[in-house]
Amino acid sequence: NAGVTQTPKFRVLKTGQSMTLLCAQDMNHEYMYWYRQDPGMGLRLIHYSVGEGTTAKGEVPDGYNVSRLKKQNFLLGLESAAPSQTSVYFCASSYNSNIGTSSNQPQHFGDGTRLSIL
Amino acid sequence: AQSVAQPEDQVKVAEGNPLTVKCTYSVSGNPYLFWYVQYPNRGLQFLLKYITGDNLVKGSYGFEAEFNKSQTSFHLKKPSALVSDSALYFCAVRDTNTGFQKLVFGTGTRLLVSP
Repeated sequence: NAGVTQTPKFRVLKTGQSMTLLCAQDMNHEYMYWYRQDPGMGLRLIHYSVGEGTTAKGEVPDGYNVSRLKKQNFLLGLESAAPSQTSVYFCASSYNSNIGTSSNQPQHFGDGTRLSIL
Repeated sequence: AQSVAQPEDQVKVAEGNPLTVKCTYSVSGNPYLFWYVQYPNRGLQFLLKYITGDNLVKGSYGFEAEFNKSQTSFHLKKPSALVSDSALYFCAVRDTNTGFQKLVFGTGTRLLVSP
């Protein structure tokens, strides 16, 4: 049981390049999330998904796209990388937390992808 | 909008002493509050949560948190700190407006426990 796995762990890009960050979870969680972590700003939600085939914008979605074609995978794409997107990106997942006692289940996080854009 | 504030960027404590990491919150309805810990080069790990019930919540690794509705606070505590507790701690509140478990995180407090 690996939990939440993020690939790659590190990446350096040039401005304007594109890339996709992969998140995979093996806990059969319905909900998945992408965050970015910047010094002094905590974690900010980029996009999230409440189930296979569905995605929604979070707090800071501009410059990013996501896809959830399979329940276990949640992809984050940068179409044209900018230096402002230099950050540590975290993926998380959780149980369907909108029903009865399953509400407010904790989120499980991957170990992050450290992305530098030059 | 829901928010949390962690007023201290850093907390220093000697090993064996009690520790407190502060968090205050602002919500429009019932607060659902969480504490997470982040060790270097790792993702966040869940410590504990308050949904309802007893104001003192016990969590992982000997941590506990005290919910105080009148002071809108949810401070993290541990009776006796360990050097291995040194990490970054995040308080979070569930955004009930979205109807699902979207969390709003504080900016984090770095805990340094000296030997």
